[in-house]
Amino acid sequence: EIVLTQSPGTLSLSPGERATLSCRASQSVSDSYLAWYQQKPGQAPRLLIYGASSRATGIPDRFTGSGSGTDFTLTISRLEPEDFAVYYCQQYTSSPFTFGPGTKVDLK
Amino acid sequence: QVELVQSGAEVKKPGSSVKVSCKASEETFNSHALSWVRQAPGQGLEWMGGITPMFGSTKYAERFQGRVTITTDESTKTVHMELKSLRSADTAVYYCTRVALMAPLQNWFFDLWGRGTLVTVSS
Repeated sequence: EIVLTQSPGTLSLSPGERATLSCRASQSVSDSYLAWYQQKPGQAPRLLIYGASSRATGIPDRFTGSGSGTDFTLTISRLEPEDFAVYYCQQYTSSPFTFGPGTKVDLK
Repeated sequence: QVELVQSGAEVKKPGSSVKVSCKASEETFNSHALSWVRQAPGQGLEWMGGITPMFGSTKYAERFQGRVTITTDESTKTVHMELKSLRSADTAVYYCTRVALMAPLQNWFFDLWGRGTLVTVSS
């Protein structure tokens, strides 16, 4: 089973700042089969990024995914008030499809 | 409207079973695999398994093998997830999810989520 580790656990930032979230895998995620999701309190997760760097439908271009192998990054270029949430990475290279523990982006 | 409509909250006793349902649109049911992901209170996300209705094939996470069964009812375009031998650690929100069409056949990520069904296991 591929274990995903996310850092930092919590990121405290202000609107307009840049957020950089990290996701590291215990073994190589082949074909960059890595997705990112955003979850707000009381809501279901929402797909942001798939294939490590492809934005899902309707996702603004301030969200950028990058990386390959075992190291992946989600960057939010300028935080908007609605971006404060928990972000999860997920690998779909092999079953079971696993998620990271999440990074919470909260208001400084 | 494209959405996944899940059944309501459940309260169950330890050792019992629960069956959660998820109604999909015709297009979703006929074209996509559907899967279940759960989230314990204040915790992260855990993939349980899924089904591809057009093939009738299922895929389960090994840790749930033998305890979870995912089935479909084509007449109502509904997917069911049954979890047996419930324990307190199964208390969670259970999400029905749609596997994205962009995903390769055996490699799943999820582009649509239901609102979730809270299952509480308590004596």
